[in-house]
Amino acid sequence: ILNVEQSPQSLHVQEGDSTNFTCSFPSSNFYALHWYRWETAKSPEALFVMTLNGDEKKKGRISATLNTKEGYSYLYIKGSQPEDSATYLCASPSYNQGGKLIFGQGTELSVKP
Amino acid sequence: DAGVTQSPTHLIKTRGQQVTLRCSPKSGHDTVSWYQQALGQGPQFIFQYYEEEERQRGNFPDRFSGHQFPNYSSELNVNALLLGDSALYLCASSLASEAERNQPQHFGDGTRLSIL
Repeated sequence: ILNVEQSPQSLHVQEGDSTNFTCSFPSSNFYALHWYRWETAKSPEALFVMTLNGDEKKKGRISATLNTKEGYSYLYIKGSQPEDSATYLCASPSYNQGGKLIFGQGTELSVKP
Repeated sequence: DAGVTQSPTHLIKTRGQQVTLRCSPKSGHDTVSWYQQALGQGPQFIFQYYEEEERQRGNFPDRFSGHQFPNYSSELNVNALLLGDSALYLCASSLASEAERNQPQHFGDGTRLSIL
């Protein structure tokens, strides 16, 4: 059974703070790790798909790293803005079941002006 | 280029009733997955349809069934509704290919189902 865990569950920061959160997953039979950003009343939006150990991806002020040997990924947000407030989900495809995604429970980020 | 669209947006049903939710995938996509998101949890995989057949299934009872049409759109049906079926139901589309696990899935806005 593939378990994907995220921490913390929620995070409250001030505008301008940098923040990071964690996604952990079983390191055996790893295939890929997805990060999604989900704003209230909108659809989840893909941020990154990471596949290689040591991978680092960046999109504006948001970046992510991947360690497949120890089974974790970090998502960083530099200089948080109120528009970064959202739930950040990570998910890993089931190794032997194609596109089935196993999601973590999400980290809810609130950025206060 | 239309993204994933779901209907209806909200739905209120009573216990024991049946419901049908609909999803149109992103243009060019041929695979549709359905997820249930209960309050405080991450989305849970229900099933996936490709070539009009259920290809994979999560840990959901047979009350949950689906269908995919030749135009790749899909329906999720839930029979004998229970209070615990109250949730947001998300549809996601993707391309079936060797590299699909490297591709992000594209999600709709979801259908909020409330059971009274």
